[in-house]
Amino acid sequence: GAGVSQSPSNKVTEKGKDVELRCDPISGHTALYWYRQRLGQGLEFLIYFQGNSAPDKSGLPSDRFSAERTGESVSTLTIQRTQQEDSAVYLCASSLVGLAGGTQYFGPGTRLTVL
Amino acid sequence: DQQVKQNSPSLSVQEGRISILNCDYTNSMFDYFLWYKKYPAEGPTFLISISSIKDKNEDGRFTVFLNKSAKHLSLHIVPSQPGDSAVYFCAANTGGGADGLTFGKGTHLIIQP
Repeated sequence: GAGVSQSPSNKVTEKGKDVELRCDPISGHTALYWYRQRLGQGLEFLIYFQGNSAPDKSGLPSDRFSAERTGESVSTLTIQRTQQEDSAVYLCASSLVGLAGGTQYFGPGTRLTVL
Repeated sequence: DQQVKQNSPSLSVQEGRISILNCDYTNSMFDYFLWYKKYPAEGPTFLISISSIKDKNEDGRFTVFLNKSAKHLSLHIVPSQPGDSAVYFCAANTGGGADGLTFGKGTHLIIQP
């Protein structure tokens, strides 16, 4: 498909375990963003990649969170030693920065449940 | 400290009428504003955007109005259709649109037949 894809769609894990979430952006999109949405809340910005560098990591909530991007393609968000408060939907978006506004297009999200 | 606020958690509108969703922001550095629509279990879908140099942008049934002096924007949907029932998020960013978005908490729009 032509859209942003994410895997897995659902992940249930035990407190203390590490999880890895994957995002495949729209082909050719140079910018990639990670957000999370907790229950009843708006989307919360986590990190932004331009190419495979991350100029803005300001939204990462703790040092348990990290993200990588390979070239201008796939990105993985890793959460180490998960806590129950990490339970949320994690959303990835991509955009063609440089166009007017750089509109971000979102994937379907990964629902993470930490027991 | 919420920089983007959607003060109405829900809004009910009769089919065929106008739906008006409101959004306020506090950060005067925001220069690009977007509206997204979200169905359950799906990612947000881009609807319409507006740059801070404009005060109106129209796309079919959707019009976004920006009042910079009041730090307020609104989304008008005319006429409202049953498929418009969804959660609508207002979002904003700086850097000409390249930065991470700051989202409001959303307004659940319900279109009644």
